[in-house]
Formats: sequence, structure tokens, C-alpha cells
Amino acid sequence: SQTIHQWPATLVQPVGSPLSLECTVEGTSNPNLYWYRQAAGRGLQLLFYSVGIGQISSEVPQNLSASRPQDRQFILSSKKLLLSDSGFYLCAWSEGLVAFGSLHFGNGTRLTVT
Amino acid sequence: GQQLNQSPQSMFIQEGEDVSMNCTSSSIFNTWLWYKQDPGEGPVLLIALYKAGELTSNGRLTAQFGITRKDSFLNISASIPSDVGIYFCAGPANTGNQFYFGTGTSLTVIP
Repeated sequence: SQTIHQWPATLVQPVGSPLSLECTVEGTSNPNLYWYRQAAGRGLQLLFYSVGIGQISSEVPQNLSASRPQDRQFILSSKKLLLSDSGFYLCAWSEGLVAFGSLHFGNGTRLTVT
Repeated sequence: GQQLNQSPQSMFIQEGEDVSMNCTSSSIFNTWLWYKQDPGEGPVLLIALYKAGELTSNGRLTAQFGITRKDSFLNISASIPSDVGIYFCAGPANTGNQFYFGTGTSLTVIP
């Protein structure tokens, strides 16, 4: 069966510091991978998605970037965090034809920028 | 993009009551998804619907794919305290690789 791992679970970082959140998927190959951000427990905002190694689509211009160095690894990064980057970050995966597929989430990373 | 309107925004109900929530879209979807999110955790898929008119159950949960393909409904029967959480509807884009989400329904069950 497929599993998704996301870490760390919580992170407190000062403004201006770098960020690296990692997500890996097991039990499937060539998944579509996604990064979402959720503020105040509501509203899932799509940040990035990837359909293959090295292929990244950005949905919202911002202080963040994403990379997919391996088939089942998705990384969310920032060179310098802003206070507004605080939030709950969720990694997710899907497979097959998206129009008839479903999305599966990791347990999230709670990021607090101080 | 495709927008999903979810209602109600929040619900406060007594334990044992039934719950209904719905999701509408201005455009058609080929798939409707319903998720539940517990505090501090990622959303978990409850029910997936793939065919217009389809009615699917998962325990006390029942969801329906609207005939017009522009709406979906989720019902929870005989609510219990562990039903507390935020419920999201979602649908994959008909073209492209995104998934669109409703704004969520926050459910509180009073024992």
C-alpha cells in the first residue's frame, strides 16, 4: 500500500532563516506531488505541484520554491522566511489521470515564523 | 479555475443528530471527493464519487454525486463526538493536474 511521509511535524524558525520541508511517497511510482498551505485551519491553498522529476508548477508567486530531485521526493524551500510564511503545510500525492483520481495527504508541518 | 462553494460554514449539533452538508460548483466535475480533517492533521479521504447520480456509503457517512455533476452532498447519520472536525469537498480539474477544494464545514458535536 502507498504511504506518504512528511517532516518535520512542527518547526519554529526566525524571520530571515532558510526553510526545507521534505515529503516522500512509498508504494507507487511517478506520482503527482503537491504542496498546500492552510491558514487558520481552513482553506487549502495550492502552492506547487509536480508531475515528474524536475517538473514544478507554481500556483502562487511567493517567497517559496519547490523541487523534485527524485521520483517520490518533494521538497519545499525558502531562502529567507517571512512572518507571513507561517502556516500548516501539507504534502499530497495522486496517481493516474487526475480528472478521475483522488488526493492523499501527509500529516502536515506546522511552521511558525517568529 | 473551478470554484467550489461549500455550506454550511459551521455546524453545532447534538450527539445523535444527523448532519448534511453540500458543495456546489459553477462547472462540472468528473469526480467528487469528501475529506475530513482532524485538528493538527492532514485531511483524510472519506468517500470518492466517480459517476453522476452515484450514492456511496462509508459506515455512517453517505455521499452523493449530483446528477448535474455540479454538486455533491455528504450526510452523517447519528453523529458521535469523534465526528468533530472540518469536512472538505474537492474535485480534480477536468484539465490539468490541480485539485480544487471547498472552504470547509466545521462540525462540532455536543455530547
